Amino acid sequence: DAKTTQPPSMDCAEGRAANLPCNHSTISGNEYVYWYRQIHSQGPQYIIHGLKNNETNEMASLIITEDRKSSTLILPHATLRDTAVYYCIVRELLQGAQKLVFGQGTRLTINP
Amino acid sequence: GAVVSQHPSRVICKSGTSVKIECRSLDFQATTMFWYRQFPKQSLMLMATSNEGSKATYEQGVEKDKFLINHASLTLSTLTVTSAHPEDSSFYICSARVPGRGYTFGSGTRLTVV
Repeated sequence: DAKTTQPPSMDCAEGRAANLPCNHSTISGNEYVYWYRQIHSQGPQYIIHGLKNNETNEMASLIITEDRKSSTLILPHATLRDTAVYYCIVRELLQGAQKLVFGQGTRLTINP
Repeated sequence: GAVVSQHPSRVICKSGTSVKIECRSLDFQATTMFWYRQFPKQSLMLMATSNEGSKATYEQGVEKDKFLINHASLTLSTLTVTSAHPEDSSFYICSARVPGRGYTFGSGTRLTVV
């Protein structure tokens, strides 16, 4: 079962920052937070992941609370092409391949 | 970057026939691949884990005789939907773990059974 809770949908104006929350109150100490997104009729795309420190890359920033029970994905300047379903997933980073379990995600709509 | 190539992107088949979907890791070796199914407006549901050189591991409720998985090499995994029926119409997606980098996904296959 997915161990995360996300709002089912959000709207954001083009050019503004999109802040997507995720609750993962049962996260364990060795589990990472991963974010993926899925644009309509495509395979999911990796965005970012983190353990406890805030992370930033060319796509987004990830803010993890100090108690690690929740996190926020930030798209700093949302464009229409950021309209997608965003999935927050927690899992351990171990050797070998472990399955990713997807929750329902947040459907983000960027409005012009 | 690491790419998983999935083919075909779209297929329409008649009820009762079989359809094969291929996933290839293009510039890395994938000892494990994952197969997902996604119905409209729903999330991805893991169907099975494909292991190179051994039998696939199926999730509960997934019929292994209906969804045949073959992972004969380190760069190719196939999913065959046998005796397809309209209720098998769905979006099928494969994924592989890229060593040191996380997971990458194929572009998906839209199967329509008529």
